[in-house]
Amino acid sequence: DTAVSQTPKYLVTQMGNDKSIKCEQNLGHDTMYWYKQDSKKFLKIMFSYNNKELIINETVPNRFSPKSPDKAHLNLHINSLELGDSAVYFCASSQEGTAQETQYFGPGTRLLVL
Amino acid sequence: AQSVSQHNHHVILSEAASLELGCNYSYGGTVNLFWYVQYPGQHLQLLLKYFSGDPLVKGIKGFEAEFIKSKFSFNLRKPSVQWSDTAEYFCAVTGTASKLTFGTGTRLQVTL
Repeated sequence: DTAVSQTPKYLVTQMGNDKSIKCEQNLGHDTMYWYKQDSKKFLKIMFSYNNKELIINETVPNRFSPKSPDKAHLNLHINSLELGDSAVYFCASSQEGTAQETQYFGPGTRLLVL
Repeated sequence: AQSVSQHNHHVILSEAASLELGCNYSYGGTVNLFWYVQYPGQHLQLLLKYFSGDPLVKGIKGFEAEFIKSKFSFNLRKPSVQWSDTAEYFCAVTGTASKLTFGTGTRLQVTL
């Protein structure tokens, strides 16, 4: 009955590889997000989708491409991984994507690029 | 652009001590303020939020926060902490858009 789930939980890979992180929410929410948490625990938004449409796109390298096959899923694909991509990536969702809503977070995916 | 400052990076308290974690924000318009908590090995979850009305908001687990507009602050308080409150606490703000801007977090360690 997990509300927001992410797979995998841990991901260790070599520089230059391409990898994907999957996110699914069973809350019936319209809006989903990706956040990056760096080694100093600083959280920053990367993307937001509302009903499969891109709403927020912060200054993230083109190597990062979100994909939303339906409103319950928001996957993150990363090309040509770099050392600096090592971080914890959190997926989140909210009902409609308004500024006052609570966002519900997934457990995070810890990515380590070697 | 909005920003959030949390000045306490690491706080160590004994059980039953009172807690106050500072949060200051910078934003020119109407803000919505949040406190999220991340227990060890767990995901972020909402403690409380403020967007209008009574500036003193109560959240889960006995936490409360007070919005003081003149000071651009939204400090988190709890009268008596427990060992289980050991966690990372994040203050966050949204403006007109739903993107959360987080502070750098405060690590709270409660000792027995």
